[in-house]
Amino acid sequence: DAMVIQNPRYQVTQFGKPVTLSCSQTLNHNVMYWYQQKSSQAPKLLFHYYDKDFNNEADTPDNFQSRRPNTSFCFLDIRSPGLGDAAMYLCATSRDYRLNQPQHFGDGTRLSIL
Amino acid sequence: DQQVKQNSPSLSVQEGRISILNCDYTNSMFDYFLWYKKYPAEGPTFLISISSIKDKNEDGRFTVFLNKSAKHLSLHIVPSQPGDSAVYFCAASSNSGGSNYKLTFGKGTLLTVNP
Repeated sequence: DAMVIQNPRYQVTQFGKPVTLSCSQTLNHNVMYWYQQKSSQAPKLLFHYYDKDFNNEADTPDNFQSRRPNTSFCFLDIRSPGLGDAAMYLCATSRDYRLNQPQHFGDGTRLSIL
Repeated sequence: DQQVKQNSPSLSVQEGRISILNCDYTNSMFDYFLWYKKYPAEGPTFLISISSIKDKNEDGRFTVFLNKSAKHLSLHIVPSQPGDSAVYFCAASSNSGGSNYKLTFGKGTLLTVNP
């Protein structure tokens, strides 16, 4: 089945130690998104790629960066994780956002900070 | 400023009855609305959507109603089944102002369907 796959499902890192989360898709969608979701909160968009064009949300901290080396893969890098960065990180894709189309989500990576 | 609000954190219904999940929004530029369903330890799964040119969209047991004047939408599940127990997120986007990529989510409503 075509899908959005996130690895790892659970990630534990130390305060200040860089961490990378990965996302891959077999849907061949143009757009890939990264969301942060904290407990009992709505998912919050961090940034997205339309093909290779990177788009950062205005309130995304500089600590968060992303890479998209090809259509299938997208990475979220947290340079110096703080305790407040502990959350579920969701990757999503969509074919295009010029037409109304739903986003398709992976199962997320739950990040814990020690 | 929460632009999409799901005011009921939880809802409990009996199997076979109707579940009605509600969502309110404040941004009048929103013109595309979606419902996602999320099981524990899984990502949100797209359920159903509606464009602002419609007031109703139906897919099997799921129907979404949109009342633009009230800035309100609802998801009806009939009949409700125990497997429908999940968190339901309402989301919205706008095709104007170059922001049509962005989904704004509510905080979700936990639906429990009791056998």
